[in-house]
Amino acid sequence: GNSVTQMEGPVTLSEEAFLTINCTYTATGYPSLFWYVQYPGEGLQLLLKATKADDKGSNKGFEATYRKETTSFHLEKGSVQVSDSAVYFCALSDRSARDDKIIFGKGTRLHILP
Amino acid sequence: DVKVTQSSRYLVKRTGEKVFLECVQDMDHENMFWYRQDPGLGLRLIYFSYDVKMKEKGDIPEGYSVSREKKERFSLILESASTNQTSMYLCASSLGGLAGVAGELFFGEGSRLTVL
Repeated sequence: GNSVTQMEGPVTLSEEAFLTINCTYTATGYPSLFWYVQYPGEGLQLLLKATKADDKGSNKGFEATYRKETTSFHLEKGSVQVSDSAVYFCALSDRSARDDKIIFGKGTRLHILP
Repeated sequence: DVKVTQSSRYLVKRTGEKVFLECVQDMDHENMFWYRQDPGLGLRLIYFSYDVKMKEKGDIPEGYSVSREKKERFSLILESASTNQTSMYLCASSLGGLAGVAGELFFGEGSRLTVL
């Protein structure tokens, strides 16, 4: 079945550091890939998405490239801020599958120190 | 902006009580979902609905039921609350298809339930 694996946290970085959060997936069809973010005390919100291989999603300085050859969708940001402290979820949906529910990874908590 | 509103941010209930969690969305979305979020386990789908009066079991439906009498409202019911149902509950909605338009779910702020 389909699945998403992302790096365990927490991840702690200093402000202005480079961020990578790894995400790999398993899918039988042709999934769309997403990163959601959950700020403290809030629900999840879509951060970025990519719907086909080699697509790059970007938003708020974050980027992720859909790599079919490595089945990965790693989240990156060149210079993080304290306000980026949150939990990040990688997710996929596979419309070619019989049951195309969104599948979430377990989340990675990010702490940015000033 | 899409708004998904969950009726209670924090609830404390006793074992055996019946618990209702309400969720309302204001963008005419077809699909609505209930997840629970637990440390180390991420989000797990409890139930979902893609139309009024329709419901489908998710990955962990045991101990829960749902009701969708109107398109904008999706209720999660714990018939007899137990301590292992202490969790954060998240409601979400999406437009069209099971994964919505390119998979975008809109979430409420969550309801943190403690069962004593």
